[in-house]
Order: sequence, then structure tokens, then C-alpha cells
Amino acid sequence: DAGVIQSPRHEVTEMGQEVTLRCKPISGHDYLFWYRQTMMRGLELLIYFNNNVPIDDSGMPEDRFSAKMPNASFSTLKIQPSEPRDSAVYFCASGVAEQFFGPGTRLTVL
Amino acid sequence: QQPVQSPQAVILREGEDAVINCSSSKALYSVHWYRQKHGEAPVFLMILLKGGEQKGHEKISASFNEKKQQSSLYLTASQLSYSGTYFCGTADAGKSTFGDGTTLTVKP
Repeated sequence: DAGVIQSPRHEVTEMGQEVTLRCKPISGHDYLFWYRQTMMRGLELLIYFNNNVPIDDSGMPEDRFSAKMPNASFSTLKIQPSEPRDSAVYFCASGVAEQFFGPGTRLTVL
Repeated sequence: QQPVQSPQAVILREGEDAVINCSSSKALYSVHWYRQKHGEAPVFLMILLKGGEQKGHEKISASFNEKKQQSSLYLTASQLSYSGTYFCGTADAGKSTFGDGTTLTVKP
């Protein structure tokens, strides 16, 4: 298996633009997690899905953030509109107790 | 609630040992440990599911004291490749919460 795949790996955008991050989990994994990592706040869980259903989105910082998982092999995290404080590395991970992280998307909002 | 890790940073010489601690104010049902190298994603090391459980991965091992609500990661005879940030995480009904991390630097 190729592992968890994320795209894009880097994204630079301007404040106010819509940003969509994509994730393909490892086949067969029932859980999918979206994390945000910054120096100030560390590794934060934003939302997680079980069998494509969002279970807990209490970590989503604002209504500007939304996540979907239309099928078992694809998930998106959308930020609309983006702000400079959203700049971070966003990780997708799949698995249960043992989580496999994707390489991350480094987002820079100017 | 976020688990608390200590120390925040450790600097070692190759071959020395280190201990990283992780504690929680809430009951722990499982503890998982990850290592993240600079610019990379966290990588799973091990998970402990039961109180008293101990596990090992090469010269890295961990223990889980359920009653004390804490876990410790032991790095024996450290190698340069052990450098990185170590995170402990707790899981409650699928929801993961990570500590702030302990940065380990191993020098030749």
C-alpha cells in the first residue's frame, strides 16, 4: 500500500481564497483523522470520521472550516475564506489506535 | 484534555539513555507514542492498551501505569537516528489527543 496520500503538499494562497486539502486513506482503515500542526498550538485534532461518518468535529476552529468524506477512499478539508492564521501543516491520518499519517500539506495564507 | 509530557527537551550523547514521561488528569485507556523528525510526519512507535503493559521496539520501550494515569518511554543506548520530537497520545472513543511533545537531540 502506498500509505496515506495527501495533496497538495504545499499550498500558498491569499487571504480570502478558498483552500481544499485532499486525503486518500489506507485501504481498509475505518478511521480518518484531520490534524493541524503549528509551533504555537502543537498537533491538534480537527475532526475524525468513522466509516465515512463525522464523529467529532469539536476541534474545527470555526465555521470557515469544513470536512467531508464522501467515500471510504477520499476526504477533503476545506477552508473558506482562508486567513493568515490558518497557516499550518495539515495532516491526514488513518487507522485506529495505530495511526498512519500522510506527509502533510503545508499551507501558507498571505 | 491534553496529556502532559516531560521534559520538554532532552539533549543526549550517543549511547546515553533517556526517559520521556506522559501523564493525564483523566483516566487513560490507552497510550500511543509517535516520533516526528523535522519536516516529516509523525510515525507510530507503539501503543499500550492495558495497565502494566510494557512494549519494546528495538531499544525503545514503554510502560503504562493505568492507576497513576501515566506512561513512560525509555530510549536505551540512544542513536543519532533517535533525534526528533516524541509525542504521546491518548485515545478516548476514537478521539485522539496529543501532548506537546518532547524534543530529543542526540549528539555524536
